[in-house]
Amino acid sequence: KAGVTQTPRYLIKTRGQQVTLSCSPISGHRSVSWYQQTPGQGLQFLFEYFSETQRNKGNFPGRFSGRQFSNSRSEMNVSTLELGDSALYLCASSLDGQLLFFGSGTQLSVL
Amino acid sequence: EDQVTQSPEALRLQEGESSSLNCSYTVSGLRGLFWYRQDPGKGPEFLFTLYSAGEEKEKERLKATLTKKESFLHITAPKPEDSATYLCAVQDLKTSYDKVIFGPGTSLSVIP
Repeated sequence: KAGVTQTPRYLIKTRGQQVTLSCSPISGHRSVSWYQQTPGQGLQFLFEYFSETQRNKGNFPGRFSGRQFSNSRSEMNVSTLELGDSALYLCASSLDGQLLFFGSGTQLSVL
Repeated sequence: EDQVTQSPEALRLQEGESSSLNCSYTVSGLRGLFWYRQDPGKGPEFLFTLYSAGEEKEKERLKATLTKKESFLHITAPKPEDSATYLCAVQDLKTSYDKVIFGPGTSLSVIP
């Protein structure tokens, strides 16, 4: 069974640009969560989607948004990038709402 | 507000030297406490779920225990391949599913 797939693996952007990250969950998993990981803040919850609906949202500005498609694939968008947005962005899928299966992440560098 | 802290921040052990990692949490009501392992450049990998005080889970050299305010991850006779960051996370009964709050992690290095 294929795991959670995130693309791209690495991304370099400049301030002010926008970026879209993609996540394909494990087959059959309808819940997808997104996390931001930085050395100083650790893993911070961004949002969670289930059956195309956002059920939970963390404390991030509106520049961070996401969506989920009917096949459970999810995308995350960050607009007007700032230097502080440099981080590892992790996607996790879940079948039961508790046990999270993570992808390898997208390493975003903002210059 | 839900909060998870972990100690120590970093730990260096000699191969075979047993130790414990601590996770302290504050939640309204615990739905579940989770331990994950994260290797450099990879996403966290699930290790254990604990639900109630007194519960214990074991896997190879790892044993997780839970009290009402803390969880411990005991590592017995560690090997270099146990080197990783260990993350503790909680899910509150009063929040919706899939909002899992993570602690900052403990970086473990096992020296041969």
